[in-house]
Amino acid sequence: EAQVTQNPRYLITVTGKKLTVTCSQNMNHEYMSWYRQDPGLGLRQIYYSMNVEVTDKGDVPEGYKVSRKEKRNFPLILESPSPNQTSLYFCASSPLAGASEQYFGPGTRLTVT
Amino acid sequence: AQTVTQSQPEMSVQEAETVTLSCTYDTSENNYYLFWYKQPPSRQMILVIRQEAYKQQNATENRFSVNFQKAAKSFSLKISDSQLGDTAMYFCAFMKHSPSYDKVIFGPGTSLSVIP
Repeated sequence: EAQVTQNPRYLITVTGKKLTVTCSQNMNHEYMSWYRQDPGLGLRQIYYSMNVEVTDKGDVPEGYKVSRKEKRNFPLILESPSPNQTSLYFCASSPLAGASEQYFGPGTRLTVT
Repeated sequence: AQTVTQSQPEMSVQEAETVTLSCTYDTSENNYYLFWYKQPPSRQMILVIRQEAYKQQNATENRFSVNFQKAAKSFSLKISDSQLGDTAMYFCAFMKHSPSYDKVIFGPGTSLSVIP
């Protein structure tokens, strides 16, 4: 089954404790993105990647890191999480530029206390 | 910079009735794409419909159709014969046409409740 997977689905952590949210797609897509969703703000892009070893900042990259060492994986790293990073996070992938539909993962609910 | 506005934070509709969700956007681009995504309580993001700006014909997908007014920068979604399963958050999104990947800008969303 073609899909985007994220792990973990739920995470509660404390301020300053490094964490990684994994994202993997099995559709051989070139493009992958990370978004955060907050009430009243919709989805805002954190980082995106056009291919292996090619990444770029989205609208809200502060406090986040990403890497793209393999085409299928695009982990999101929070080196020192803070309470303002409490949010719902989505990974998405897309096969082409332009009008292609983005395929979203199931989301990761992160709470930083 | 592009922006997407959805002026209706919440809406409700009776089952089997028709409802229209509004979306406006601001851009200086001529070639771009517009999308409506649905997010049911399961949180999964699902593409509902897509429109290319260079196409004058409004996109339609079964009970879902759009009214695309390029000059007015308006992209509303009409849901006909509303069903309980249509209850969800709906996001309007914009992406400019680019030879390589470009950012997708989402609106703040409209929460739609279908009432039995």
